Amino acid sequence: NAGVTQTPKFQVLKTGQSMTLQCAQDMNHEYMSWYRQDPGMGLRLIHYSVGAGITDQGEVPNGYNVSRSTTEDFPLRLLSAAPSQTSVYFCASSYQGVWTYSSGELFFGEGSRLTVL
Amino acid sequence: AQTVTQSQPEMSVQEAETVTLSCTYDTSENNYYLFWYKQPPSRQMILVIRQEAYKQQNATENRFSVNFQKAAKSFSLKISDSQLGDTAMYFCALSGGSNYKLTFGKGTLLTVNP
Repeated sequence: NAGVTQTPKFQVLKTGQSMTLQCAQDMNHEYMSWYRQDPGMGLRLIHYSVGAGITDQGEVPNGYNVSRSTTEDFPLRLLSAAPSQTSVYFCASSYQGVWTYSSGELFFGEGSRLTVL
Repeated sequence: AQTVTQSQPEMSVQEAETVTLSCTYDTSENNYYLFWYKQPPSRQMILVIRQEAYKQQNATENRFSVNFQKAAKSFSLKISDSQLGDTAMYFCALSGGSNYKLTFGKGTLLTVNP
């Protein structure tokens, strides 16, 4: 029962470095998303995908890149890390049925704490 | 655009007592879902309870219940017989219609005191 798996759980970067946060789900969910969590800000949507080959921007997309080549995987790329990207990142997925209405309940990974120095 | 507002950044309650967390929201959708998620110190996001907007009956899950007031766009969470393990950040969230996005409030940090 893996659910949503995120790696790494912790990462420290220097300003300007690049990295990829990995996310994989084994529930055959069409919808996948990335959120960042900052103190006093709640969870803010970075990017999301409604299926393989389809991605779109959320509320705070700048500085992040995503792709969705398979149903299972949805990596988040930081091309040139900045201190403002220090945060906890959550990957989440949900079922979005074509023929049935879905509640949109999200299943979350355990989070990745990223520090940019 | 959807919005979710949690006006109580922090709350505390004594063990075994009852506490209510507030949430208001705004959406133009007629059909939507509301959620309460719990985030304990482990950081894991856990679904506590879910309410479908077209159902008038308030959802309950053991010690957790909601007071859903659709006209007032209010969705409060009541925790009865509070336990130390209920200490966590609680997030109210909204999803609706063809909008795949889940919108979260800023959270309420609940501390249960022994």
